[in-house]
Amino acid sequence: DVKVTQSSRYLVKRTGEKVFLECVQDMDHENMFWYRQDPGLGLRLIYFSYDVKMKEKGDIPEGYSVSREKKERFSLILESASTNQTSMYLCASTPRVKNIQYFGAGTRLSVL
Amino acid sequence: ILNVEQSPQSLHVQEGDSTNFTCSFPSSNFYALHWYRWETAKSPEALFVMTLNGDEKKKGRISATLNTKEGYSYLYIKGSQPEDSATYLCAPSGNTPLVFGKGTRLSVIA
Repeated sequence: DVKVTQSSRYLVKRTGEKVFLECVQDMDHENMFWYRQDPGLGLRLIYFSYDVKMKEKGDIPEGYSVSREKKERFSLILESASTNQTSMYLCASTPRVKNIQYFGAGTRLSVL
Repeated sequence: ILNVEQSPQSLHVQEGDSTNFTCSFPSSNFYALHWYRWETAKSPEALFVMTLNGDEKKKGRISATLNTKEGYSYLYIKGSQPEDSATYLCAPSGNTPLVFGKGTRLSVIA
């Protein structure tokens, strides 16, 4: 079974802190994605990556950056956390962009 | 950004009732339509991927149909059970990664 692991289920940070959300997949998938989910807004794509060291902006990249140094790991970085980044963050991976996506369990981030 | 509409936003049904919901999407540049189920405190899980106009897929009591010409898909649940309670997300793909709708939140009351 495909496993997508997100490093934390719950995280509480202060405004202005640098925050790292880590995601690791064990199926050698080329493509990885970061989403955030907010009530009434659904899943929105922040960034995605087709390959190591490659990254593409999604629909809402502002305030975020990403890092993909190894194929299995895709990190989401909040350079200076703000309260409007309080959300549920989901990571996903897929072997090809248009195949089904496998999701991690999510990280619920609160920025105080 | 692709405009994906799901309706209704939420639904409450009695155990044993059958139900259905709709996903509408632009029919141009269509490649595939995904349905996911997202239970509380779990990860979203894929239910179906459909690519051809007229496709019908079935998994137990859940089935889905696809109309790519008019840009919609229906998800049906026959004889709803409490364990069907979840948010159901649809996501079309075209030239871009998946774009998710806001989902239909289903609550099945025992």
